[in-house]
Amino acid sequence: EIVLTQSPGTLSLSPGERATLSCRASQSVRGDYLAWYQQKPGQAPRLLMYGTSYRATGIADRFSGSGYGTDFTLTISRLEPEDFAVYYCQQYVSYVTFGGGTKVE
Amino acid sequence: EVRLVESGGGLVQPGKSLRLSCRVSGFTLKTYCMSWVRQAPGKGLQWVANLRQDGLERDYLDSVKGRFTVSRDNAGYSLYLQMNSLSGEDTAVYYCAREHCGNHYMDVWGKGTAVAVSS
Repeated sequence: EIVLTQSPGTLSLSPGERATLSCRASQSVRGDYLAWYQQKPGQAPRLLMYGTSYRATGIADRFSGSGYGTDFTLTISRLEPEDFAVYYCQQYVSYVTFGGGTKVE
Repeated sequence: EVRLVESGGGLVQPGKSLRLSCRVSGFTLKTYCMSWVRQAPGKGLQWVANLRQDGLERDYLDSVKGRFTVSRDNAGYSLYLQMNSLSGEDTAVYYCAREHCGNHYMDVWGKGTAVAVSS
């Protein structure tokens, strides 16, 4: 099983600041198979990024993704009030697993 | 409009069964893979099962293999998750999600249905 470790667990920032979220895999993951989701309290997750760096439909360009192999990053260039949420990375090798999440507060 | 609506959750005793449904609109299950993903209270996301667009190939989280079965109706608009021998560890909100068959990301999610396993 591929384990995804997200860090930090919590990121305390202010609107307008830059957020950098890390997702580290226990084994190499193809970039095609790495995605990011945003979840707000009481809501379903929402797809942000797929294939490491492709923004999903309707996602603002302040969100960007990068990475390769075992280290992947989600960057929010300037935090907007609606960006404060929990973010999950997800991979697929033989089956889907999610990271434990990073809360941006 | 693409939409997923789950139903069938509730309170169930340990060892009992429950069947969840996911009604889709705006597309057909015959052209997409689908997944069930759950989230225990205060915890992260956990993939549970998926069904390929052929309606035949399935895969399961190890801890639910032999207990859960994913299926769909012949018309291709309802997805099901039959859950047997439930335990407290299965307590969670269960989401159905449309899965990209090639890259396995989930681009559309339902709002979820809550399952509580307790005596």
